[in-house]
Amino acid sequence: TQLLEQSPQFLSIQEGENLTVYCNSSSVFSSLQWYRQEPGEGPVLLVTVVTGGEVKKLKRLTFQFGDARKDSSLHITAAQPGDTGLYLCAGYDRGSTLGRLYFGRGTQLTVWP
Amino acid sequence: EPEVTQTPSHQVTQMGQEVILRCVPISNHLYFYWYRQILGQKVEFLVSFYNNEISEKSEIFDDQFSVERPDGSNFTLKIRSTKLEDSAMYFCASSGTGLANSPLHFGNGTRLTVT
Repeated sequence: TQLLEQSPQFLSIQEGENLTVYCNSSSVFSSLQWYRQEPGEGPVLLVTVVTGGEVKKLKRLTFQFGDARKDSSLHITAAQPGDTGLYLCAGYDRGSTLGRLYFGRGTQLTVWP
Repeated sequence: EPEVTQTPSHQVTQMGQEVILRCVPISNHLYFYWYRQILGQKVEFLVSFYNNEISEKSEIFDDQFSVERPDGSNFTLKIRSTKLEDSAMYFCASSGTGLANSPLHFGNGTRLTVT
């Protein structure tokens, strides 16, 4: 079983603050995906990172894949209440078939106005 | 935007009963999956399905589980004899290609409660 550990588990901040959440593993992943999940809904893909050291930006969100492809981070600049949600990282390991993602437990982010 | 739809949104059943969870994947997608999420735990892979057969299944997907694409649009997950520990959110997902890292599109899930 591939383990993805996410930290922190919970994060509560004020609007306008910056934050970083982490996704770590002792295993190498061929790629990592970040999802956001709202209550009562399924996960929605935000980004996929594939190459070690890769950085991708999605408006105020910056995603980075570690050089060794064992970890990833999500940085949000100037958080807004609309960013509130559960952020999940998920990875395909090198032996995975398509669709067999291993998920972390998630970081529950709350942004207060 | 096309989406994956799941019905029912909530299913309550008694232990030992059979349940069928239904999904309509995005219409031009060819690869289908079921995942589940027990309350407070990680989203876990159950099974992937392509070309009318199972591609891969996890250790969770035992003989009590089966999947079917009965009519070219629906994709179902059947649990033959439910147990208390089957209580979870069950998510269906689909993807359009067999390429590595192809994004998965998830439905909003069926909450199964076994009493």
